[in-house]
Amino acid sequence: DGGITQSPKYLFRKEGQNVTLSCEQNLNHDAMYWYRQDPGQGLRLIYYSQIVNDFQKGDIAEGYSVSREKKESFPLTVTSAQKNPTAFYLCASGIAGPYNEQFFGPGTRLTVL
Amino acid sequence: GDSVTQMEGPVTLSEEAFLTINCTYTATGYPSLFWYVQYPGEGLQLLLKATKADDKGSNKGFEATYRKETTSFHLEKGSVQVSDSAVYFCALSEGGYSTLTFGKGTMLLVSP
Repeated sequence: DGGITQSPKYLFRKEGQNVTLSCEQNLNHDAMYWYRQDPGQGLRLIYYSQIVNDFQKGDIAEGYSVSREKKESFPLTVTSAQKNPTAFYLCASGIAGPYNEQFFGPGTRLTVL
Repeated sequence: GDSVTQMEGPVTLSEEAFLTINCTYTATGYPSLFWYVQYPGEGLQLLLKATKADDKGSNKGFEATYRKETTSFHLEKGSVQVSDSAVYFCALSEGGYSTLTFGKGTMLLVSP
Protein backbone atom coordinates (compact mmCIF):
# COMPACT_ATOMS: atom_id res chain seq x y z
CA ASP A 1 0.00 0.00 0.00
CA GLY A 2 1.24 3.48 -0.82
CA GLY A 3 1.44 5.94 1.99
CA ILE A 4 3.43 7.77 4.60
CA THR A 5 4.76 6.09 7.72
CA GLN A 6 5.97 7.77 10.86
CA SER A 7 7.66 6.01 13.71
CA PRO A 8 7.35 5.65 16.55
CA LYS A 9 3.76 6.56 17.39
CA TYR A 10 4.74 7.66 20.91
CA LEU A 11 8.17 8.82 22.01
CA PHE A 12 9.44 9.78 25.44
CA ARG A 13 12.74 11.54 26.05
CA LYS A 14 14.50 13.21 28.90
CA GLU A 15 15.08 16.93 28.77
CA GLY A 16 18.39 17.82 27.11
CA GLN A 17 18.47 14.81 24.78
CA ASN A 18 18.27 15.03 21.01
CA VAL A 19 15.65 12.81 19.38
CA THR A 20 15.03 11.88 15.74
CA LEU A 21 11.57 11.27 14.31
CA SER A 22 11.27 9.08 11.25
CA CYS A 23 9.18 9.81 8.14
CA GLU A 24 9.10 7.56 5.07
CA GLN A 25 6.91 7.75 1.96
CA ASN A 26 6.48 5.45 -1.01
CA LEU A 27 4.24 7.76 -3.02
CA ASN A 28 7.14 8.98 -5.19
CA HIS A 29 6.46 12.55 -4.07
CA ASP A 30 9.19 15.14 -4.50
CA ALA A 31 8.12 17.37 -1.63
CA MET A 32 8.04 16.52 2.07
CA TYR A 33 7.04 18.58 5.09
CA TRP A 34 7.21 18.59 8.87
CA TYR A 35 4.53 20.25 11.01
CA ARG A 36 4.12 20.71 14.71
CA GLN A 37 0.65 20.62 16.28
CA ASP A 38 -0.17 22.02 19.69
CA PRO A 39 -3.67 22.27 21.19
CA GLY A 40 -5.48 25.32 19.85
CA GLN A 41 -2.55 26.28 17.60
CA GLY A 42 -3.39 24.45 14.43
CA LEU A 43 -0.44 23.24 12.34
CA ARG A 44 2.83 25.14 12.16
CA LEU A 45 5.44 24.40 9.50
CA ILE A 46 8.88 23.44 10.78
CA TYR A 47 10.86 22.48 7.65
CA TYR A 48 10.11 21.42 4.12
CA SER A 49 12.00 19.92 1.22
CA GLN A 50 11.11 20.18 -2.46
CA ILE A 51 13.91 17.96 -3.72
CA VAL A 52 16.60 15.61 -2.45
CA ASN A 53 19.54 17.29 -0.71
CA ASP A 54 17.68 20.57 -0.35
CA PHE A 55 15.37 21.91 2.37
CA GLN A 56 14.02 25.21 3.68
CA LYS A 57 13.07 26.53 7.08
CA GLY A 58 9.44 26.98 7.88
CA ASP A 59 7.86 29.26 10.45
CA ILE A 60 9.26 27.60 13.58
CA ALA A 61 12.58 25.97 12.56
CA GLU A 62 14.60 27.01 15.63
CA GLY A 63 15.68 23.99 17.67
CA TYR A 64 15.03 21.52 14.85
CA SER A 65 17.13 20.03 12.06
CA VAL A 66 16.37 17.83 9.04
CA SER A 67 18.09 15.95 6.25
CA ARG A 68 16.91 14.77 2.85
CA GLU A 69 19.41 12.25 1.53
CA LYS A 70 16.79 10.07 -0.15
CA LYS A 71 13.55 10.95 -1.89
CA GLU A 72 11.62 8.58 0.37
CA SER A 73 12.92 9.80 3.72
CA PHE A 74 12.82 13.08 5.64
CA PRO A 75 13.85 12.59 9.28
CA LEU A 76 13.39 15.37 11.83
CA THR A 77 15.74 15.86 14.78
CA VAL A 78 14.43 17.71 17.80
CA THR A 79 17.49 19.13 19.48
CA SER A 80 18.06 20.16 23.07
CA ALA A 81 17.86 23.78 21.89
CA GLN A 82 14.11 23.45 21.31
CA LYS A 83 12.57 25.12 24.36
CA ASN A 84 9.26 23.30 24.45
CA PRO A 85 9.48 20.12 22.36
CA THR A 86 6.49 18.24 23.74
CA ALA A 87 3.97 18.18 20.87
CA PHE A 88 2.37 16.12 18.13
CA TYR A 89 4.55 16.03 14.99
CA LEU A 90 3.09 15.42 11.56
CA CYS A 91 4.95 14.58 8.37
CA ALA A 92 3.43 15.14 4.94
CA SER A 93 4.39 14.68 1.31
CA GLY A 94 3.08 16.06 -1.94
CA ILE A 95 3.65 16.86 -5.59
CA ALA A 96 4.56 20.46 -6.35
CA GLY A 97 2.11 21.73 -8.91
CA PRO A 98 -0.92 23.96 -9.41
CA TYR A 99 -2.83 22.45 -6.50
CA ASN A 100 -0.05 21.42 -4.10
CA GLU A 101 -2.15 18.82 -2.31
CA GLN A 102 -0.43 17.21 0.68
CA PHE A 103 -0.84 13.77 2.21
CA PHE A 104 -0.20 13.21 5.89
CA GLY A 105 1.30 10.47 8.01
CA PRO A 106 -0.26 9.26 11.29
CA GLY A 107 1.95 11.47 13.47
CA THR A 108 4.38 11.01 16.37
CA ARG A 109 3.53 12.25 19.84
CA LEU A 110 6.74 13.37 21.57
CA THR A 111 6.79 13.88 25.31
CA VAL A 112 9.86 15.32 26.95
CA LEU A 113 10.09 14.54 30.64
CA GLY B 1 1.02 37.01 3.68
CA ASP B 2 -1.59 34.32 3.26
CA SER B 3 -3.90 33.48 6.13
CA VAL B 4 -6.93 31.31 6.90
CA THR B 5 -9.51 32.08 9.56
CA GLN B 6 -11.93 29.46 10.86
CA MET B 7 -14.76 29.71 13.31
CA GLU B 8 -13.73 28.72 16.80
CA GLY B 9 -15.04 25.53 18.29
CA PRO B 10 -16.11 23.32 19.62
CA VAL B 11 -19.20 23.03 17.51
CA THR B 12 -21.65 20.74 19.27
CA LEU B 13 -24.54 19.20 17.35
CA SER B 14 -27.03 16.40 17.68
CA GLU B 15 -27.00 13.58 15.18
CA GLU B 16 -28.76 14.45 11.89
CA ALA B 17 -28.36 18.21 12.42
CA PHE B 18 -27.09 20.53 9.68
CA LEU B 19 -23.44 21.52 9.87
CA THR B 20 -21.69 24.69 8.77
CA ILE B 21 -18.08 25.51 9.61
CA ASN B 22 -17.02 28.92 8.35
CA CYS B 23 -13.68 29.54 6.66
CA THR B 24 -12.39 32.75 5.14
CA TYR B 25 -9.01 33.40 3.62
CA THR B 26 -6.56 36.08 2.57
CA ALA B 27 -4.25 35.37 -0.35
CA THR B 28 -2.24 37.33 -2.85
CA GLY B 29 -3.08 35.19 -5.86
CA TYR B 30 -5.66 32.59 -6.80
CA PRO B 31 -5.20 29.79 -4.30
CA SER B 32 -6.49 26.26 -4.18
CA LEU B 33 -8.59 25.59 -1.10
CA PHE B 34 -8.81 22.45 1.00
CA TRP B 35 -10.65 20.93 3.93
CA TYR B 36 -8.79 18.34 5.98
CA VAL B 37 -10.21 16.20 8.80
CA GLN B 38 -8.32 14.84 11.80
CA TYR B 39 -9.74 12.08 13.97
CA PRO B 40 -8.43 11.77 17.54
CA GLY B 41 -4.79 10.69 17.69
CA GLU B 42 -4.42 10.49 13.92
CA GLY B 43 -2.92 12.45 11.06
CA LEU B 44 -4.87 14.66 8.68
CA GLN B 45 -6.94 13.30 5.82
CA LEU B 46 -7.94 15.33 2.81
CA LEU B 47 -11.72 15.70 2.87
CA LEU B 48 -12.31 17.84 -0.21
CA LYS B 49 -10.75 20.53 -2.36
CA ALA B 50 -11.56 23.24 -4.90
CA THR B 51 -9.06 24.74 -7.28
CA LYS B 52 -10.83 27.74 -8.81
CA ALA B 53 -13.64 30.17 -8.14
CA ASP B 54 -17.17 28.70 -8.01
CA ASP B 55 -15.83 25.14 -7.84
CA LYS B 56 -17.67 22.90 -5.39
CA GLY B 57 -15.71 20.21 -3.62
CA SER B 58 -17.64 17.29 -2.17
CA ASN B 59 -16.93 14.02 -0.38
CA LYS B 60 -18.76 11.77 2.11
CA GLY B 61 -21.75 14.15 2.22
CA PHE B 62 -19.60 17.20 2.93
CA GLU B 63 -19.54 20.13 0.52
CA ALA B 64 -17.75 23.46 0.18
CA THR B 65 -17.93 26.09 -2.55
CA TYR B 66 -15.02 28.35 -3.47
CA ARG B 67 -16.43 31.90 -3.25
CA LYS B 68 -13.89 34.38 -4.57
CA GLU B 69 -16.12 37.40 -4.03
CA THR B 70 -16.40 36.71 -0.30
CA THR B 71 -13.02 34.90 0.00
CA SER B 72 -14.77 32.03 1.72
CA PHE B 73 -14.86 28.23 1.62
CA HIS B 74 -17.46 27.19 4.19
CA LEU B 75 -17.87 23.48 4.97
CA GLU B 76 -21.42 22.07 5.06
CA LYS B 77 -23.12 18.76 5.65
CA GLY B 78 -26.84 18.17 5.62
CA SER B 79 -27.01 15.51 8.33
CA VAL B 80 -24.08 14.82 10.63
CA GLN B 81 -23.32 11.51 12.30
CA VAL B 82 -21.54 10.69 15.54
CA SER B 83 -18.68 9.36 13.43
CA ASP B 84 -18.14 12.86 12.00
CA SER B 85 -16.80 14.02 15.37
CA ALA B 86 -13.29 15.27 14.59
CA VAL B 87 -11.24 18.41 14.06
CA TYR B 88 -11.66 20.10 10.68
CA PHE B 89 -8.95 22.26 9.11
CA CYS B 90 -9.35 24.71 6.27
CA ALA B 91 -6.20 25.34 4.22
CA LEU B 92 -5.00 27.13 1.11
CA SER B 93 -2.15 26.79 -1.32
CA GLU B 94 -0.89 29.25 -3.91
CA GLY B 95 0.34 26.30 -5.93
CA GLY B 96 3.71 25.59 -7.45
CA TYR B 97 6.31 25.19 -4.71
CA SER B 98 4.33 27.10 -2.09
CA THR B 99 3.38 25.46 1.18
CA LEU B 100 -0.07 24.99 2.70
CA THR B 101 -1.43 27.62 5.06
CA PHE B 102 -3.78 26.17 7.66
CA GLY B 103 -6.49 27.60 9.85
CA LYS B 104 -6.40 26.73 13.55
CA GLY B 105 -8.98 23.98 13.20
CA THR B 106 -12.55 23.59 14.41
CA MET B 107 -13.56 20.72 16.65
CA LEU B 108 -16.92 19.12 15.88
CA LEU B 109 -18.69 17.05 18.53
CA VAL B 110 -21.81 15.13 17.50
CA SER B 111 -23.96 13.50 20.14
CA PRO B 112 -26.49 10.67 19.57
